[in-house]
Amino acid sequence: QVQLQQWGAGLLKPSETLSLTCNVRGGFFSGYYWTWVRQPPGKGLEWIGEINHSGSTNYIPSLKSRITISLDMSKNHFSLKLRSVTAADTAVYYCARGGVTGYGKIWFDPWGQGTLVTVSS
Amino acid sequence: AIQMTQSPSSLSASVGDRVTITCRASQDIRNDLGWYQQKPGKAPKLLIFAASSLQSGVPSRFSGSGSGTDFTLTISSLQPEDFASYYCLQDYNYPYTFGQGTKLEIK
Repeated sequence: QVQLQQWGAGLLKPSETLSLTCNVRGGFFSGYYWTWVRQPPGKGLEWIGEINHSGSTNYIPSLKSRITISLDMSKNHFSLKLRSVTAADTAVYYCARGGVTGYGKIWFDPWGQGTLVTVSS
Repeated sequence: AIQMTQSPSSLSASVGDRVTITCRASQDIRNDLGWYQQKPGKAPKLLIFAASSLQSGVPSRFSGSGSGTDFTLTISSLQPEDFASYYCLQDYNYPYTFGQGTKLEIK
């Protein structure tokens, strides 16, 4: 059974770089989309980006200039970096595995436990 | 980006009730839609993908329907553990977008 465990710094100052890592246990990278979703406190979910096993990425346009998602299969993890953070980036960040069925339908499961990242001076 | 409009934003119901949550897409998304349940302080959990396919291990009281722009999540007989927030997610094109969520509360 695949499990995702994530970690990273929880308190940042404005202009710093958010850095989170998601470790993949019990599974393999090929054929999946390794995804990040965030949720500001008390608000809804926002898909922010993904990477596949080939290193191809897709990002939400509003973050495209600041976001990098990378993959290190030798260490069984993928990572999120978000540069120049502001208070608007304060959120719980989740990693998730995106899968595709044989007929091209997408699902997201499992999810990491979430990491609250607070940006405050 | 495709806008997903979910309704209602909150809902009060009793154990045993049948409840329906709807999601409307701003354009045709075929059946590229999933439903996720989230409990306070927890990660989302996949319930339904491809609009109507029940994820393995999810109780059969959950069902999804719809295609094109209009979609529905139905819980046939509410159980105490179903009181949570529910989100739809379109995966038709990038950026993927969620509905704003429905908070299901005990009446």
